Amino acid sequence: KQEVTQIPAALSVPEGENLVLNCSFTDSAIYNLQWFRQDPGKGLTSLLLIQSSQREQTSGRLNASLDKSSGRSTLYIAASQPGDSATYLCAAPRAGNMLTFGGGTRLMVKP
Amino acid sequence: GAVVSQHPSWVICKSGTSVKIECRSLDFQATTMFWYRQFPKQSLMLMATSNEGSKATYEQGVEKDKFLINHASLTLSTLTVTSAHPEDSSFYICSARDRSRSAGETGELFFGEGSRLTVL
Repeated sequence: KQEVTQIPAALSVPEGENLVLNCSFTDSAIYNLQWFRQDPGKGLTSLLLIQSSQREQTSGRLNASLDKSSGRSTLYIAASQPGDSATYLCAAPRAGNMLTFGGGTRLMVKP
Repeated sequence: GAVVSQHPSWVICKSGTSVKIECRSLDFQATTMFWYRQFPKQSLMLMATSNEGSKATYEQGVEKDKFLINHASLTLSTLTVTSAHPEDSSFYICSARDRSRSAGETGELFFGEGSRLTVL
């Protein structure tokens, strides 16, 4: 059974800081890991998808890394902005492409 | 990018009524769609996997007779909450995988905007 944990559960930083969100998973036999953003009352926006053969993916100010052997992934946000305030979720698949989500990290970036 | 649309985005109903939520893939075909439920301040929990042309697969603890799922075409899946009660009030989100973009099960999943159900 796949279990996904995210640390910290909440994070508040001043604008401009670089920050790291952590995600750990128990079953390392994954074929990809996906990071999402969720704004309050909204659906999910896919940020980055890392295949099991990759170690990292970058999109703009976001960089996600994947270390399958240790069961960890990190999402790095550079030069944070107030518009980055949201809940960030990581999700690892189990058989059949069904995703198991972590509890999320609620990020607030203060101007 | 691939777009998944849900309708309605919010609905309020009386206890005992049934509510249907639609999930459509607008610009791609999805043989499989997934339905999630999210309670306030909690993460998403998978309810069921919807397969086009066949019966849905439900997660343990999800009542299949209460949450009816129909996946009649490659672009539409529906979730019907039957005889809804206040404890069914939640945020329901569907997701789909673009089968043309992915090889096997390695594809990216796209999510709808969610449907907020409030049962009075």
